[in-house]
Amino acid sequence: SQQGEEDPQALSIQEGENATMNCSYKTSINNLQWYRQNSGRGLVHLILIRSNEREKHSGRLRVTLDTSKKSSSLLITASRAADTASYFCATPITGANSKLTFGKGITLSVRP
Amino acid sequence: GAGVSQSPSNKVTEKGKDVELRCDPISGHTALYWYRQSLGQGLEFLIYFQGNSAPDKSGLPSDRFSAERTGGSVSTLTIQRTQQEDSAVYLCASSQTSALSTQYFGPGTRLTVL
Repeated sequence: SQQGEEDPQALSIQEGENATMNCSYKTSINNLQWYRQNSGRGLVHLILIRSNEREKHSGRLRVTLDTSKKSSSLLITASRAADTASYFCATPITGANSKLTFGKGITLSVRP
Repeated sequence: GAGVSQSPSNKVTEKGKDVELRCDPISGHTALYWYRQSLGQGLEFLIYFQGNSAPDKSGLPSDRFSAERTGGSVSTLTIQRTQQEDSAVYLCASSQTSALSTQYFGPGTRLTVL
């Protein structure tokens, strides 16, 4: 079964606007990771937030983690057309840290 | 250094044929993963190698799928007697240690079974 589930499934915004994507998960985690995928090929790691962290920044990216609600959000500020991609959250399965489970992803379209 | 590489980038085969997909991880990464992604879907875990330990094969969908990792580096995913439902993008990733670490993905192999 899916550990992480992203919301919304698709998001369309105007360039310059902020994009907020959410991820919910079911079991305890050690960390949560966000990845980006262009054109259905390889994924690129964006950011990793540990379970004892509440917020993390990287450039225009801001990730929050609420372990009490088992949820995370990824905020992209001042979006650009080049941010158009699919975004996935991923979590290691507790007790089986060999596996990252991925959600189905969010398709973000940024209109120029 | 170089990233994760995969070959071929595209593979078209006929139903019933065997295929081999190759992954070259980042040098020094002890962990290697294979995933499968069907059109519009998330990533499905297939198999995980960590150093010299026995691989975690729990994600392999059938006994037609197998993988090996020679010398702790290059890995080959083999699909025997391919079926149309095997059509997908097969992604390989490596990391320094385990899933607690960042995973670095290759560009994937797009497999089409006719």
